Amino acid sequence: GENVEQHPSTLSVQEGDSAVIKCTYSDSASNYFPWYKQELGKRPQLIIDIRSNVGEKKDQRIAVTLNKTAKHFSLHITETQPEDSAVYFCAASIPPGTYKYIFGTGTRLKVLA
Amino acid sequence: DVKVTQSSRYLVKRTGEKVFLECVQDMDHENMFWYRQDPGLGLRLIYFSYDVKMKEKGDIPEGYSVSREKKERFSLILESASTNQTSMYLCASQTPGPGIGYTFGSGTRLTVV
Repeated sequence: GENVEQHPSTLSVQEGDSAVIKCTYSDSASNYFPWYKQELGKRPQLIIDIRSNVGEKKDQRIAVTLNKTAKHFSLHITETQPEDSAVYFCAASIPPGTYKYIFGTGTRLKVLA
Repeated sequence: DVKVTQSSRYLVKRTGEKVFLECVQDMDHENMFWYRQDPGLGLRLIYFSYDVKMKEKGDIPEGYSVSREKKERFSLILESASTNQTSMYLCASQTPGPGIGYTFGSGTRLTVV
């Protein structure tokens, strides 16, 4: 079945540096890739997503890139701030359709002031 | 904003008890989901429902059942709670459409003793 691998499991960066989280999916028919941020004690919230017909999408300091050939997608956070500290989950849609997702195991990002 | 409400934030139940976890959404969404979240394992799909009285098994349905008698309410049932069901349970809802992200509830942390 579909599988999503996420790396690294933990990531510490200095405030102002960039952070990159990488995911690999197994089913080439997956066509939607959301990213969720979960702050301590709170619900996961959608922060950015990308569809398979797009290679890159940006929203202020965050961006997501997709390489369909390699079945990789990545989250990039620039100019990190302490409030970016959270657990980040990637997900891939389970074909057919785009409403069921399989999630990665999460990355705990710590931004050091 | 869509609101997804889980009735209990924390629950402690005894082994063998029947446990009901309730989830209500207020935006007339067709799709609703139950996930469990465990450290190092990410979010795993237990069950989902795409309409009233309709349900499908996710990746880890064993030991669980669900009920969706009304569109806004999706209940997760642990028929006979066991200690390995101690976990964080997250409900999510979604309106059908290409690449529409989930809205999650705040979660129920269930401890089975």
